[in-house]
Amino acid sequence: DAKTTQPTSMDCAEGRAANLPCNHSTISGNEYVYWYRQIHSQGPQYIIHGLKNNETNEMASLIITEDRKSSTLILPHATLRDTAVYYCIVTNAGGTSYGKLTFGQGTILTVHP
Amino acid sequence: DAGITQSPRHKVTETGTPVTLRCHQTENHRYMYWYRQDPGHGLRLIHYSYGVKDTDKGEVSDGYSVSRSKTEDFLLTLESATSSQTSVYFCAISEAGRGYMELFFGSGTQLSVL
Repeated sequence: DAKTTQPTSMDCAEGRAANLPCNHSTISGNEYVYWYRQIHSQGPQYIIHGLKNNETNEMASLIITEDRKSSTLILPHATLRDTAVYYCIVTNAGGTSYGKLTFGQGTILTVHP
Repeated sequence: DAGITQSPRHKVTETGTPVTLRCHQTENHRYMYWYRQDPGHGLRLIHYSYGVKDTDKGEVSDGYSVSRSKTEDFLLTLESATSSQTSVYFCAISEAGRGYMELFFGSGTQLSVL
């Protein structure tokens, strides 16, 4: 699986958009970008994933650059409950991966009033 | 929320004793996983299962064994617990298909080995 690089921490004001970047310059053609988050003391929660097109769901938007070497997770209107560690994971969703996700250190997002 | 129950939620045990953690799901998902989470290491995969009686090792499997005799239950056993196995253990499930990397995690088991 491709290695990812994320900032250690970020701050965001409540009600503003939170833009979390992720670099994955060694991503290969069959690898997806997944985002999970982990609120303190809870299990990680799936947010969104994409291959090469931008994706949006009820939680967030995922913007993947045309060369697929980086992506940005966007929380359009951050709330205090969005304070969490956000993990960007690049993985082959097929073959023998079997959901063996590799979690890095992630980005600690703090949303303040 | 996905129907995943981990038991016990908290356990304190002594070095050298056997410990079994249980993960129970009501979603009938094919895949089940055990992860551990430690400060400075993030989440690491211990073992996973891709069907009844079908299991395989993950990144940090030494000192752990697993069993899956029914679709709904995945057991993690520490045969002889050591202090290095003090950790938070998370069970996760997923279903095969296009989006099967969408793992659903349980609430975790805090294990302390004294």
